[in-house]
Amino acid sequence: GDSVTQMEGPVTLSEEAFLTINCTYTATGYPSLFWYVQYPGEGLQLLLKATKADDKGSNKGFEATYRKETTSFHLEKGSVQVSDSAVYFCALSPRIELNSGYSTLTFGKGTMLLVSP
Amino acid sequence: DAGITQSPRYKITETGRQVTLMCHQTWSHSYMFWYRQDLGHGLRLIYYSAAADITDKGEVPDGYVVSRSKTENFPLTLESATRSQTSVYFCASSETRPEETQYFGPGTRLLVL
Repeated sequence: GDSVTQMEGPVTLSEEAFLTINCTYTATGYPSLFWYVQYPGEGLQLLLKATKADDKGSNKGFEATYRKETTSFHLEKGSVQVSDSAVYFCALSPRIELNSGYSTLTFGKGTMLLVSP
Repeated sequence: DAGITQSPRYKITETGRQVTLMCHQTWSHSYMFWYRQDLGHGLRLIYYSAAADITDKGEVPDGYVVSRSKTENFPLTLESATRSQTSVYFCASSETRPEETQYFGPGTRLLVL
């Protein structure tokens, strides 16, 4: 079945450091890929997504590129802030043809990011 | 308030008791989901619903019951709570299809003693 593997955390960085959180996936076909973020005490919210190979999703300074050849979707940010401290989830959804049923998101286990001043 | 809300936000109960967690969304999204979040497991799908009166099991449905008589509500019931059901529960909804972007509620933190 489909699966998502993320690097284990916590990832601890100083403010303005470069961030990479690795995510690799196993899926048949051409899934859509997502990064969700969970701030302390809150639910998850979509950070960015990419729906086909070589697409780059970006939001709030975060970027991730859909790499089909390496089945990866690594999250990057050039300069992190204290306010970026959160748990980050990589997720995938299979490509389903309309009227042929539906599927759901598969999430990784999450990676906690801690940014200190 | 617009969006997706959950109640209660915190709940303490005892083993064997029945507990119902409420979820309400104001967008009229067709799809709704219940997840539990546990350390070391990430997010696991309990049940989901494609529309009113249509529900289906997710990865970890045992011990839970859902219903969806109205599009906007999707309650989750623990029929006889166990300590292993201590967790944070999230409700989510999706506008078009469940494999697309999901919108999450703030969560319910449940402690079963």
